[in-house]
Amino acid sequence: SQKIEQNSEALNIQEGKTATLTCNYTNYSPAYLQWYRQDPGRGPVFLLLIRENEKEKRKERLKVTFDTTLKQSLFHITASQPADSATYLCALDRPGYNKLIFGAGTRLAVHP
Amino acid sequence: DGGITQSPKYLFRKEGQNVTLSCEQNLNHDAMYWYRQDPGQGLRLIYYSQIVNDFQKGDIAEGYSVSREKKESFPLTVTSAQKNPTAFYLCASSPQTGGAPGELFFGEGSRLTVL
Repeated sequence: SQKIEQNSEALNIQEGKTATLTCNYTNYSPAYLQWYRQDPGRGPVFLLLIRENEKEKRKERLKVTFDTTLKQSLFHITASQPADSATYLCALDRPGYNKLIFGAGTRLAVHP
Repeated sequence: DGGITQSPKYLFRKEGQNVTLSCEQNLNHDAMYWYRQDPGQGLRLIYYSQIVNDFQKGDIAEGYSVSREKKESFPLTVTSAQKNPTAFYLCASSPQTGGAPGELFFGEGSRLTVL
């Protein structure tokens, strides 16, 4: 079955730096991959979607890359701010099934 | 404003009791989902529905039941058969029904604690 690995350790960075989060998967390659932000006690909020034929996607300070050879997606937040502190989840579709598979998420803490 | 409303936010249950979590959306989405979230684990799919009066089991459906009598509503019942029901429950919707889902819109979640 598909496994998704996100770094379970929290990522601590200084304000203004670039945060880079990793999402690795095994087995089949998804048609697309999504990233969500989740604040404590709240529901996840969609951030970005990248398709298998796209190498990179950007939205304001966010950038996502998708390497189907490495079976990996990287999620970057440039010029990070304390308000970016949250847990970030990656999710993959499963071809032929109308559902997403989620990783456990990586907690990001941006310090002033 | 359009969105998904889950209630209650917090719920306490005694062992052996059934409880029902409410999920209502006014986004006019066809597909709705229920996920369970436990610390250190990814969201796990319980049930999903792509159309009114139809739903499918997800990966961890045992001990749960759902109904989809209206497009806007997808309530989840946690039955006494669910062995470890204490968790954070998330309802989501998506405008897509064919193929894989696109962006999911989530509610604020319901935290169920079994005493």
